[in-house]
Amino acid sequence: KAGVTQTPRYLIKTRGQQVTLSCSPISGHRSVSWYQQTPGQGLQFLFEYFSETQRNKGNFPGRFSGRQFSNSRSEMNVSTLELGDSALYLCASSLGPGKSYEQYFGPGTRLTVT
Amino acid sequence: ELKVEQNPLFLSMQEGKNYTIYCNYSTTSDRLYWYRQDPGKSLESLFVLLSNGAVKQEGRLMASLDTKARLSTLHITAAVHDLSATYFCAVVLNSGGGADGLTFGKGTHLIIQP
Repeated sequence: KAGVTQTPRYLIKTRGQQVTLSCSPISGHRSVSWYQQTPGQGLQFLFEYFSETQRNKGNFPGRFSGRQFSNSRSEMNVSTLELGDSALYLCASSLGPGKSYEQYFGPGTRLTVT
Repeated sequence: ELKVEQNPLFLSMQEGKNYTIYCNYSTTSDRLYWYRQDPGKSLESLFVLLSNGAVKQEGRLMASLDTKARLSTLHITAAVHDLSATYFCAVVLNSGGGADGLTFGKGTHLIIQP
């Protein structure tokens, strides 16, 4: 069974640009969560999607947004990039509410903002 | 606001020794996770603990949960070099079931020396 896939794996952007990251969950999983990992702030929750609806959102500015498609694939977008957005962005997939509590993480997208 | 504290944050130990990593959290939670992260890699799921008194073991690692004390422990028995990694605990707020955003501890950077 294929795991969680994230594309691209590495990305370099310039301040002020925007970026879109993609996450394909494990087949059959319908819930996708996004996390940001930085050396200073650690792992922080961005948002969670289930059945194309955002269920929860972390404490991030509105520049961070996401969506989920009918096939459960998810994208997150960061607009007007800042240097502090440089991070490893991880997505995690799970079956969905009440079905399983396991969350499986993808390999991540490493974003560098210059 | 849910807070998760791990200690120690750094641990250097010798092969063959036993040690325990502690994870305290500030509010009631119905799920606690332990993950392992190798340098430059994603998160690998180790354990999900769902109830008070839950104990799970895999190889040289054993995790337990005391929901009344809001404390989980990850015990390492007869450490080997391959267990060198960063270990994170993560907690989810009571959500009525299903996957929700995880709040992570800062991680314990474990180095096991021959």
